Amino acid sequence: EAGVAQSPRYKIIEKRQSVAFWCNPISGHATLYWYQQILGQGPKLLIQFQNNGVVDDSQLPKDRFSAERLKGVDSTLKIQPAKLEDSAVYLCASSLRQTSGANVLTFGAGSRLTVL
Amino acid sequence: AQKITQTQPGMFVQEKEAVTLDCTYDTSDQSYGLFWYKQPSSGEMIFLIYQGSYDEQNATEGRYSLNFQKARKSANLVISASQLGDSAMYFCAMREAWNQGGKLIFGQGTELSVKP
Repeated sequence: EAGVAQSPRYKIIEKRQSVAFWCNPISGHATLYWYQQILGQGPKLLIQFQNNGVVDDSQLPKDRFSAERLKGVDSTLKIQPAKLEDSAVYLCASSLRQTSGANVLTFGAGSRLTVL
Repeated sequence: AQKITQTQPGMFVQEKEAVTLDCTYDTSDQSYGLFWYKQPSSGEMIFLIYQGSYDEQNATEGRYSLNFQKARKSANLVISASQLGDSAMYFCAMREAWNQGGKLIFGQGTELSVKP
C-alpha cells in the first residue's frame, strides 16, 4: 500500500511570498489532516477534512492560510503571505475513519518550510 | 491548560535495556484514545501503539507496551530491549470525543538516544 505522499519536501521563501504544499492521502482514506510542527514542538492540527468537507479548522490562521480538498482526494495547503513564524514542517496525514477510537493516522514525510 | 504533558525533553538508554517514556494527560471525557508515535530524523511520524480508555488490559505491540494508569491519567510507553534504531523523538497523543471525530492532540515529545 502506497503511503501518504507530500511535496515539496523542502521550500525556502522570503517573507511575504506565497507557498503551496500538496498532499495525496492513502487510497480510500476519507479523512485528511494538515498539521504544523514548529521545531522542538509537537504537531498542531491546522485543518481536518472528511471527504471534501472541513471538520475542524479552528486553529488555521485564516487570514493567511487556506486549504482545499477538491474531489475528496488530494489536498493543497497554501500560505499567502508567509511570515517568519510560519517556518515549520507541514505534515499531512490521512485515516480510514473519523469516528473511531482507534482511528490511526498515517503521516507523510512532511514539507519543511523556511521563511527568510 | 496542557492536554498532554511529556516531562522528559531527552532520555538516554543503553542498548538492550528497557526505557520508560512518561506521558500524562488531562481530559474530562470518559471515551478517549491514547497514542504513541515515533518520529525519526527523517521526519515521518510512525504509529507505535494505541490504548482506549475502556481497555482493561495494557496495550502491547512487540517491544512496545503502554503502561496505562487511568486514575493517575498517565500513559507511559515502555520500550524493551532498546535498539540503536529506536533513537528518535517520541510523541504521546490523545483523542477526546472520538465518536464525534475529535482531533488528535500531541505532547511536546521526548528525544530518546540509545547508546551502544
